[in-house]
Amino acid sequence: SQQGEEDPQALSIQEGENATMNCSYKTSINNLQWYRQNSGRGLVHLILIRSNEREKHSGRLRVTLDTSKKSSSLLITASRAADTASYFCATPRDMRFGAGTRLTVKP
Amino acid sequence: NAGVTQTPKFRVLKTGQSMTLLCAQDMNHEYMYWYRQDPGMGLRLIHYSVGEGTTAKGEVPDGYNVSRLKKQNFLLGLESAAPSQTSVYFCASSSGLMNTEAFFGQGTRLTVV
Repeated sequence: SQQGEEDPQALSIQEGENATMNCSYKTSINNLQWYRQNSGRGLVHLILIRSNEREKHSGRLRVTLDTSKKSSSLLITASRAADTASYFCATPRDMRFGAGTRLTVKP
Repeated sequence: NAGVTQTPKFRVLKTGQSMTLLCAQDMNHEYMYWYRQDPGMGLRLIHYSVGEGTTAKGEVPDGYNVSRLKKQNFLLGLESAAPSQTSVYFCASSSGLMNTEAFFGQGTRLTVV
């Protein structure tokens, strides 16, 4: 079974809107990572949040982590068509990924 | 910087044939991983290595073998390819077991007919 599981499976929004995707995991972690995959390409690391952090920002990305609920969320603000991709969370220990959230941003 | 390079990028195999996928990284990373990704699904870990000369099984190791004879290379072998192994294969490397970011190759699209 996957350690990290993303929700929703698919998300379609208009350019300029915010996109929020969630990740749930099962075991204790010391950090959680988010990756992006453009169609047919390898994954690219976006951001890492450590277990003692509650929120982290990187440009238009905002990640939160709630270790009591074993969940994390990725917020992309002011989305652009170029943000269209699949987004995955990953937890350490066994380097496993969820099925991802497929984000479509319509121009 | 080359990062993680996978060879080949595309391949078509007949059922029962064998092949080796090569992953090379130039970042002196200790950890390397092989994944497969099927349509609409996430990545499933096949095998991984925590250092030269070591390998370990992931979620879906059956039908695959790996070797890490040199630190910079991680080979994935299919001894007798099956149509169920049709997939896109990704290699990744990292300096630690997920405490740092992982770098991915561009993938190998394998079709077994």
